[in-house]
Amino acid sequence: AQSVTQPDIHITVSEGASLELRCNYSYGATPYLFWYVQSPGQGLQLLLKYFSGDTLVQGIKGFEAEFKRSQSSFNLRKPSVHWSDAAEYFCVGGTASKLTFGTGTRLQVTL
Amino acid sequence: NAGVTQTPKFQVLKTGQSMTLQCAQDMNHEYMSWYRQDPGMGLRLIHYSVGAGITDQGEVPNGYNVSRSTTEDFPLRLLSAAPSQTSVYFCASSYNKGEHGYTFGSGTRLTVV
Repeated sequence: AQSVTQPDIHITVSEGASLELRCNYSYGATPYLFWYVQSPGQGLQLLLKYFSGDTLVQGIKGFEAEFKRSQSSFNLRKPSVHWSDAAEYFCVGGTASKLTFGTGTRLQVTL
Repeated sequence: NAGVTQTPKFQVLKTGQSMTLQCAQDMNHEYMSWYRQDPGMGLRLIHYSVGAGITDQGEVPNGYNVSRSTTEDFPLRLLSAAPSQTSVYFCASSYNKGEHGYTFGSGTRLTVV
C-alpha cells in the first residue's frame, strides 16, 4: 500500500537556526512528491514539488527538498528559520488523481 | 480570483441531517477531490474525480456521495450526518495528472452534534 511517513510529530527550533523535516515514502514506483504548509486555521499552500529530474528542488519561502531514491526520502530543509515559518508541514505523495498525506510535523519557532 | 471556492466555511448539523458541501474551481482543472482532516491523521481522501461524469472512491468514502456534472463543480453530500463526520473538509483540484500540485480550498469546518 502507498504510504508517506513523517516520523516527527513536533519540532521546535530557534529563529535563525537551520531546519530539516523528515519524510519517507513507500510506493511501487516513484510518486510525485510534495511539501505543503498549513498555518493555523488556514488552507494548504504548496511549498515545492518533485516528479522527475533534478533531485534537489527549490520552493517558495526559501525552502528546498532533496529526493533520495535509495533512502525513499524527501526531506525538507531551510537554512535559517523565521518566526513566521511556525506552522504544520505535510509531506505528500501523489499518483494520477490521488494524494497520500503524511500525518504532519508541527513546527514551533522560539525567539 | 482564480482558485478553489468552498462553501460554507462553518456548519453545525444535528445527527441524521443531510447537507451538501459545495466546491467550485475556475481553473478548468480536470482532477478534483475531497479530503477530510482530523487531528493527528493528516488529510484522507474521501472521493475524487478525473473529469466530468467520472468519480471514484478514496480511502474513507462511507457516508458520503459525490457527483461531477460539470468540470467546475464537485459537491460532497453527507447523507445522514454522524458525530464521526465532525471534521474539516478540503476540496482540491489539479490540472492533468496532478504532477504540478493540487490547489486547495480554504476548508469547511463541520460539527455534527
